[in-house]
Amino acid sequence: GQQLNQSPQSMFIQEGEDVSMNCTSSSIFNTWLWYKQEPGEGPVLLIALYKAGELTSNGRLTAQFGITRKDSFLNISASIPSDVGIYFCAGHRHYGGSQGNLIFGKGTKLSVKP
Amino acid sequence: GAGVSQSPSNKVTEKGKDVELRCDPISGHTALYWYRQSLGQGLEFLIYFQGNSAPDKSGLPSDRFSAERTGGSVSTLTIQRTQQEDSAVYLCASSLLTSGVGELFFGEGSRLTVL
Repeated sequence: GQQLNQSPQSMFIQEGEDVSMNCTSSSIFNTWLWYKQEPGEGPVLLIALYKAGELTSNGRLTAQFGITRKDSFLNISASIPSDVGIYFCAGHRHYGGSQGNLIFGKGTKLSVKP
Repeated sequence: GAGVSQSPSNKVTEKGKDVELRCDPISGHTALYWYRQSLGQGLEFLIYFQGNSAPDKSGLPSDRFSAERTGGSVSTLTIQRTQQEDSAVYLCASSLLTSGVGELFFGEGSRLTVL
């Protein structure tokens, strides 16, 4: 079935450092989304990208929809302790897919040292 | 309520017992998803409901798992004859398909522990 390759699997960084993570796929998606999950909570949507090449920012977060429609990255600038959590990418197809047309990556676990 | 509500938040059961997990989606959301998340792992798709269409059950791991959605709103995930490997957090999400696609709103999950 369809898969998203998300990397890195985990990151241990110092407060203040920038973070970069990405997702790639062999399939084309119409929408790329990035979610964050904190301990004991469900994932929460951070950024949604709807057009190839789109670059969107949300505070210290920046995400891009790859021009080939097969990849996306998420950057976090000047990390702070509350950035800790698991970050998931997700690709959505408008039709023709399974799983409700939505595929999730396996997540990037971010740990931040004060 | 304002968000997706799941119950129970925690469930401890003995191997072999049946369990029911409930999801109350955001009012008006036509799409409903169930996912399973094992400790520290990613989201494993289980089942997807969209309006009155037949559900996509392709992620259910065995015939011990079933789900229904009554009246296009509340959903129940049932696990029969639970096994220890069923221990996980079960997450429900809903979406309004006419808004941005893929913008799921998740509940806090039901943590299932099978002894």
